[in-house]
Amino acid sequence: SQTIHQWPATLVQPVGSPLSLECTVEGTSNPNLYWYRQAAGRGLQLLFYSVGIGQISSEVPQNLSASRPQDRQFILSSKKLLLSDSGFYLCAWSPGEFYEQYFGPGTRLTVT
Amino acid sequence: GQQLNQSPQSMFIQEGEDVSMNCTSSSIFNTWLWYKQDPGEGPVLLIALYKAGELTSNGRLTAQFGITRKDSFLNISASIPSDVGIYFCAGPNRGSTLGRLYFGRGTQLTVWP
Repeated sequence: SQTIHQWPATLVQPVGSPLSLECTVEGTSNPNLYWYRQAAGRGLQLLFYSVGIGQISSEVPQNLSASRPQDRQFILSSKKLLLSDSGFYLCAWSPGEFYEQYFGPGTRLTVT
Repeated sequence: GQQLNQSPQSMFIQEGEDVSMNCTSSSIFNTWLWYKQDPGEGPVLLIALYKAGELTSNGRLTAQFGITRKDSFLNISASIPSDVGIYFCAGPNRGSTLGRLYFGRGTQLTVWP
């Protein structure tokens, strides 16, 4: 069966510091991968998605970037965090031929 | 971007009551998905619908793909305290890139014992 991992689970970082969040998927190959941010207002905002290694699509221009160095690894980064980057970051995967997405446990990021 | 209107935004019900919520879009959807999110966790897929008019159940949950393909409904029967959480609808519209989902803003469900 497939599983998706995210770490760290929680993170407190000062403004201006760098960020690296990692997501890995097990039990499948060539998945589509996604990064979402969920603010306190509940909505899920799609940040990036990837259909293959090195292929990244950005939905919202901002202070963040994403990379996919391996088939089942997706990384969300920032060089300098802003206060507005605080939120709950969710990684998700889907089989390439279906729309259903399966979410990881999330990372709670607080920028102070 | 595509907007999904989900209602109600919040529900406060007594344990044992039935719950109904719905989701509408301005364009035709090919698939409707319903997720539940517990506090501090990632959303979990509950039900997936693929055809207009389709009615699918998962235990006490029943979801329907509207015949106009612009709406979907989720019903929960005989609610229990563990039904508490946020319920999201999601789906791709006809022009979506494969894998691109649009999400509603969620229905927050509170169940009183």
